[in-house]
Amino acid sequence: EPEVTQTPSHQVTQMGQEVILRCVPISNHLYFYWYRQILGQKVEFLVSFYNNEISEKSEIFDDQFSVERPDGSNFTLKIRSTKLEDSAMYFCASTEYRGSPLHFGNGTRLTVT
Amino acid sequence: KQEVTQIPAALSVPEGENLVLNCSFTDSAIYNLQWFRQDPGKGLTSLLLIQSSQREQTSGRLNASLDKSSGRSTLYIAASQPGDSATYLCAVSNNNDMRFGAGTRLTVKP
Repeated sequence: EPEVTQTPSHQVTQMGQEVILRCVPISNHLYFYWYRQILGQKVEFLVSFYNNEISEKSEIFDDQFSVERPDGSNFTLKIRSTKLEDSAMYFCASTEYRGSPLHFGNGTRLTVT
Repeated sequence: KQEVTQIPAALSVPEGENLVLNCSFTDSAIYNLQWFRQDPGKGLTSLLLIQSSQREQTSGRLNASLDKSSGRSTLYIAASQPGDSATYLCAVSNNNDMRFGAGTRLTVKP
């Protein structure tokens, strides 16, 4: 069965550095998402992306964050100038059309020291 | 803003019991509701998706119901097994996002 894949599985970075989290959504999916889960807390919506543009973003997704689909397969989340509180599990998800099941990757655990 | 609440936060049952997990949401104008399973340190596995026009979905020992007007969904697990131990998350889609509850942490004891 097709999967959403995320790399790396674990990323350690120093405060103030930039990180790029990578995702390969399922190939025929059109809607892409990033979520995060701080340890012990809820899964939180960050941003949705469709037709090469952001369709919705949460209050968490401020100017520190950006997303890009640089080619036909990758979907990336960039965090500029990371802060300690950015430490979390970041999940990429995709769906074929609005209303179809959301498929998640296994996540990237980001640790900011 | 959509708020999703799950009750109970944690549940421990002996193997073989039938159980019900509850989910409520504040904005009934939803596209769909999806139940996920999350094992510790892992990603989210989709269990069931209920469209807003549907009232229930079944997959094996799992049955999910949706009462959109009252803003409620239940996940029924029949004949629970130790392998069912995980956190179960309810998520509701309104527009271009999906909002999650905090989950119910289920432990099924052998």
